[in-house]
Amino acid sequence: KNQVEQSPQSLIILEGKNCTLQCNYTVSPFSNLRWYKQDTGRGPVSLTIMTFSENTKSNGRYTATLDADTKQSSLHITASQLSDSASYICVVADRGSTLGRLYFGRGTQLTVWP
Amino acid sequence: EADIYQTPRYLVIGTGKKITLECSQTMGHDKMYWYQQDPGMELHLIHYSYGVNSTEKGDLSSESTVSRIRTEHFPLTLESARPSHTSQYLCASSELDEQYFGPGTRLTVT
Repeated sequence: KNQVEQSPQSLIILEGKNCTLQCNYTVSPFSNLRWYKQDTGRGPVSLTIMTFSENTKSNGRYTATLDADTKQSSLHITASQLSDSASYICVVADRGSTLGRLYFGRGTQLTVWP
Repeated sequence: EADIYQTPRYLVIGTGKKITLECSQTMGHDKMYWYQQDPGMELHLIHYSYGVNSTEKGDLSSESTVSRIRTEHFPLTLESARPSHTSQYLCASSELDEQYFGPGTRLTVT
């Protein structure tokens, strides 16, 4: 069964600290892995997209890693800011369908305190 | 920020009413999607479209219907709202591997 599991479910950190969010998936055949940021009451916004051949990708203070062998990904946030408080969703796309089916994790709810 | 819009943003309605959630995008994308999301849960695909006059049901069974008469417009309709339809509804469009989401409609059926 194709699944995406994220941990931790929630996380509280102090402003300025770093954190790492985890994503494990069983989706096959794999096409790409995305990390989205979803602010409360808003739609998700893409942070990074990684294909099979990419093992790291950065977008400002966000760095995503991918280990396609172990089917694991992480999102590292450096020097956190209050505006980083949001849900971070890991999404894996398969290449077994014309639609490019997406499998969503439940997200990690990050809270950054001053 | 993506040019994809949803209205209304919030809707509280009584059981049995017919409602239409609007979604529009100005990017000319052929593929559009409707997702349902409950708090703390993953997004579930309920409808998608490859282009004009193309609509398909997604993975999550839904009593809603959609239409795609114009490329930029993908409305979702509930003929008779029920409390079980209370949820957040997200519209999205895509080009290549990138999917762009609207801000969502928070629906509450009383």
